Amino acid sequence: KAGVTQTPRYLIKTRGQQVTLSCSPISGHRSVSWYQQTPGQGLQFLFEYFSETQRNKGNFPGRFSGRQFSNSRSEMNVSTLELGDSALYLCASSLSDRDESYEQYFGPGTRLTVT
Amino acid sequence: GQNIDQPTEMTATEGAIVQINCTYQTSGFNGLFWYQQHAGEAPTFLSYNVLDGLEEKGRFSSFLSRSKGYSYLLLKELQMKDSASYLCAVREAAGNKLTFGGGTRVLVKP
Repeated sequence: KAGVTQTPRYLIKTRGQQVTLSCSPISGHRSVSWYQQTPGQGLQFLFEYFSETQRNKGNFPGRFSGRQFSNSRSEMNVSTLELGDSALYLCASSLSDRDESYEQYFGPGTRLTVT
Repeated sequence: GQNIDQPTEMTATEGAIVQINCTYQTSGFNGLFWYQQHAGEAPTFLSYNVLDGLEEKGRFSSFLSRSKGYSYLLLKELQMKDSASYLCAVREAAGNKLTFGGGTRVLVKP
């Protein structure tokens, strides 16, 4: 079974631009979560989507947004990029129903560099 | 607020045992996870505890005490490939929002 895939793997953007990252979960997984990982702050939760609805949200500004499609694929968007947004963005999928949650499987991540 | 603490670094010898402690203070509790992350790679799932006690999975075991807000990950018969960061994460409520500790970098020496 194919794992979680993320595209692109590497991205360089300029301050003020916007970026869209994509995540395809493991087949059959309906929950997709996004995390930001930096050396200083570690792994921080951005948001979770389940059945096309945002189910959980972290403490990030409104410049960070996401969505999920009917095939469970998810995208996250960061507008008006800042230097501090440089990070590894990880997507994780989970075989989750409405009441139960299971372990999350992480994708390889997208390394975003903002200059 | 949320607070999850684990040591920053640990060093151990190949073949030995290492115990990584994790203490947490969160507003809710719905499970504790341990992940392994090699440098430059994505985290991979190791273990999950939601009830008190010990969960054993091969060379890895994880323990949870909810009343103490404490967990540990035990790595036995250490191998060089076990050199990695080990992340403790708490799920506070329904869904898949995980709050991670800063990670413990384990270095296994020959």
